[in-house]
Amino acid sequence: QKEVEQDPGPLSVPEGAIVSLNCTYSNSAFQYFMWYRQYSRKGPELLMYTYSSGNKEDGRFTAQVDKSSKYISLFIRDSQPSDSATYLCAMSNAGGTSYGKLTFGQGTILTVHP
Amino acid sequence: DAGVTQSPTHLIKTRGQQVTLRCSPKSGHDTVSWYQQALGQGPQFIFQYYEEEERQRGNFPDRFSGHQFPNYSSELNVNALLLGDSALYLCASSLVGDTEAFFGQGTRLTVV
Repeated sequence: QKEVEQDPGPLSVPEGAIVSLNCTYSNSAFQYFMWYRQYSRKGPELLMYTYSSGNKEDGRFTAQVDKSSKYISLFIRDSQPSDSATYLCAMSNAGGTSYGKLTFGQGTILTVHP
Repeated sequence: DAGVTQSPTHLIKTRGQQVTLRCSPKSGHDTVSWYQQALGQGPQFIFQYYEEEERQRGNFPDRFSGHQFPNYSSELNVNALLLGDSALYLCASSLVGDTEAFFGQGTRLTVV
């Protein structure tokens, strides 16, 4: 079983829809949670960065972390065709020998059609 | 402010050859990590360098080695290339003590 599970999709939605992307994880030591957006043939771009449980909002993006359920989500409101990309969740320990190492999900391919 | 830069962008090598990939971290960052991303998969951690030393390593064979220079730039070396080494190699930089990492555009390595 992988430490981080993410449904690869693909997910196709109409422009203006609310998108929900999710990851589950098994390592209770994870304390830092990130969402990256990756366009085709490009490097991942950091979208959201969250420590421990709770919500964080940045424009049209909201990240949620539920450590009790080992479940994180990214919501995209008023989705745009330019949001079409692969979305990767990533997690890291708070300390110890694995400090700074990111563990990624497989990525979800999102297409927003006009 | 220049972000993370990697070179070359693309590379084609023959099985059994050796390859060196290069990375310059974001200005002000002192820690460099390398990841391998196979097609359709998330990035996999190879290793991390800080103060010119390998600080931690993922589940990759010794054919994968690296180096960090005094100016914080880094190299990834892969010896005895296998077809399965074909992937996008990503460099990420961060500040020591901070898990927020920024990625370069990657080097796409094809082994034939």
